[in-house]
Amino acid sequence: EVQLVESGGGLVQPGGSLRLSCAASGFTFTNYWLHWVRQAPGKGLMWVSRIKSDGSITNYADSVKGRFTISRDNAKNTLYLQMNSLRAEDTAVYYCVRAEGYWGQGTLVTVSS
Amino acid sequence: DIQMTQSPSSLSASVGDRVTITCRASQGINNYLVWFQQKPGKAPKSLIYAASTLQSGVPSKFSGSGSGTDFTLTITSLQPEDFATYYCQQYYNYPLTFGGGTKVEIK
Repeated sequence: EVQLVESGGGLVQPGGSLRLSCAASGFTFTNYWLHWVRQAPGKGLMWVSRIKSDGSITNYADSVKGRFTISRDNAKNTLYLQMNSLRAEDTAVYYCVRAEGYWGQGTLVTVSS
Repeated sequence: DIQMTQSPSSLSASVGDRVTITCRASQGINNYLVWFQQKPGKAPKSLIYAASTLQSGVPSKFSGSGSGTDFTLTITSLQPEDFATYYCQQYYNYPLTFGGGTKVEIK
């Protein structure tokens, strides 16, 4: 069974940093691109970033480019999202996603003073 | 980016009803489409992938069809646990893009 388990969310002040993790199991991690998708409170879904199976290609939404960094450790079956210079508008639940319809349970990031 | 347009944005239905939700892509996406259900405060739950393939463990009351630009999700015999918001999502091209959601409410 495919499982994606996020962690690392929390309350952070504007301008602060946070690193999210996503532990994957139940599939061959090294075969798949993985994504981060976020959902602000009461809002729709927004794609944030993606990374190729071997980590060689990364892409970002314009709103996070230059502030967020996606990475993965294929030895640990873990996906990461390093978030720097956080803003209030980054407040959202962040999901680790495999595009064919597999989602984690999400981790809440709240940016507030 | 590929735009995903879902309709209706909300609907009211009764227990036992059959409902149909549509999703239109702004360009052809072959069958690279997922339907998922989301309840308040919960993570999305995938129902269908590849436009018409049921995810493991999802009851057969859910079905999907379509290819190219036009897709439908049909739910037969609506039950209380089916009242939720439903989204479509394309994975033909990055970025992943999503429909605006269809909220299915109890009449």
